[in-house]
Amino acid sequence: GENVEQHPSTLSVQEGDSAVIKCTYSDSASNYFPWYKQELGKGPQLIIDIRSNVGEKKDQRIAVTLNKTAKHFSLHITETQPEDSAVYFCAARGGADGLTFGKGTHLIIQP
Amino acid sequence: ETGVTQTPRHLVMGMTNKKSLKCEQHLGHNAMYWYKQSAKKPLELMFVYSLEERVENNSVPSRFSPECPNSSHLFLHLHTLQPEDSALYLCASSPGRGWNTEAFFGQGTRLTVV
Repeated sequence: GENVEQHPSTLSVQEGDSAVIKCTYSDSASNYFPWYKQELGKGPQLIIDIRSNVGEKKDQRIAVTLNKTAKHFSLHITETQPEDSAVYFCAARGGADGLTFGKGTHLIIQP
Repeated sequence: ETGVTQTPRHLVMGMTNKKSLKCEQHLGHNAMYWYKQSAKKPLELMFVYSLEERVENNSVPSRFSPECPNSSHLFLHLHTLQPEDSALYLCASSPGRGWNTEAFFGQGTRLTVV
């Protein structure tokens, strides 16, 4: 089955700087890669996703890049703000069913 | 608000108790999922339902019993749980079981087994 690795487990950046979280996957058949943000006491919230027919997607301060050859994808957050502090999860769909998730990255925005 | 509602938000139960978790979605989705979220571990897929039919069961112990009476509701029946079953249980739904359909999560039920 699919296996997703996510790094780093904790990331601390200064407010206003950029943050990058990276994930790799194992199943070359996977073609859907969402990113979720989870705040304390809440369920994961979908923030951006990418499908295998594109290499990059942007939504305001958030962007995701995908390299299918290398089987890795990354989340980029620019001009970070205090409200960006949360746990971020990458995921991949390796079949027609549920998502396989990475272990999560705790993003800390330092004022 | 994602359109996926879970109740209760918190649950404490003894190892001999029987309880049920409820999930409801008003998004018109056809697929629903149960995930388990434990500390220091990735979200683990437990069950998948598509059009009220269970299509995946990831080697989950029989003390967890799902039920999907219709496409808007999903239950997880719990009995004789163990302390290691304490976790956040998340429900999600998606338009279908297709490869690239988005999944939306509820707020979760924080379960503590004592």
